[in-house]
Amino acid sequence: QKEVEQDPGPLSVPEGAIVSLNCTYSNSAFQYFMWYRQYSRKGPELLMYTYSSGNKEDGRFTAQVDKSSKYISLFIRDSQPSDSATYLCAMTGSGGYQKVTFGTGTKLQVIP
Amino acid sequence: DTAVSQTPKYLVTQMGNDKSIKCEQNLGHDTMYWYKQDSKKFLKIMFSYNNKELIINETVPNRFSPKSPDKAHLNLHINSLELGDSAVYFCASSPAVNTEAFFGQGTRLTVV
Repeated sequence: QKEVEQDPGPLSVPEGAIVSLNCTYSNSAFQYFMWYRQYSRKGPELLMYTYSSGNKEDGRFTAQVDKSSKYISLFIRDSQPSDSATYLCAMTGSGGYQKVTFGTGTKLQVIP
Repeated sequence: DTAVSQTPKYLVTQMGNDKSIKCEQNLGHDTMYWYKQDSKKFLKIMFSYNNKELIINETVPNRFSPKSPDKAHLNLHINSLELGDSAVYFCASSPAVNTEAFFGQGTRLTVV
């Protein structure tokens, strides 16, 4: 079993839809959670970074963490064609030097 | 100004050659990384340096040798290139270990 599981998609939604992207993980030591957006032939770009369980909002993006269920989500409201990209979840532990483990990414296409 | 820049952007070379990729960050970060992203978009840590010291080495063949001359630079030298080394290599930096990372635009390496 992979440490981080993420549905690769592709996920196609109409413009204006609410998008839900999810990751599950097995390592209970993970404490920090991140979402990255990667456009084709570009480097990953940090969208959200959160530590605690609960919700964190930034504009149209909301990151949700449920440590008890080992489940994280990224919601995108009022999705735009410019949101079309691959979304990667990432997580790491605390204390000492911990590597960041990435999900395999979900490819999202927002159709005008 | 580009925060994390790596050169070259594209690299095509023959099997058996030796090549280097350079990375520089102007964010004042203490920690730098090399990641490999394969054809299935899976992003995997190779090395992590903190204040010029190697802190993470993820079972990478010793044909890969990172070098950090100072906190702002992390270069990657690859000896005796193999077909399986073809991938996109990303440099990244973060303010400290176990925190959010900022990525360069990637170096697309093709070994023929």
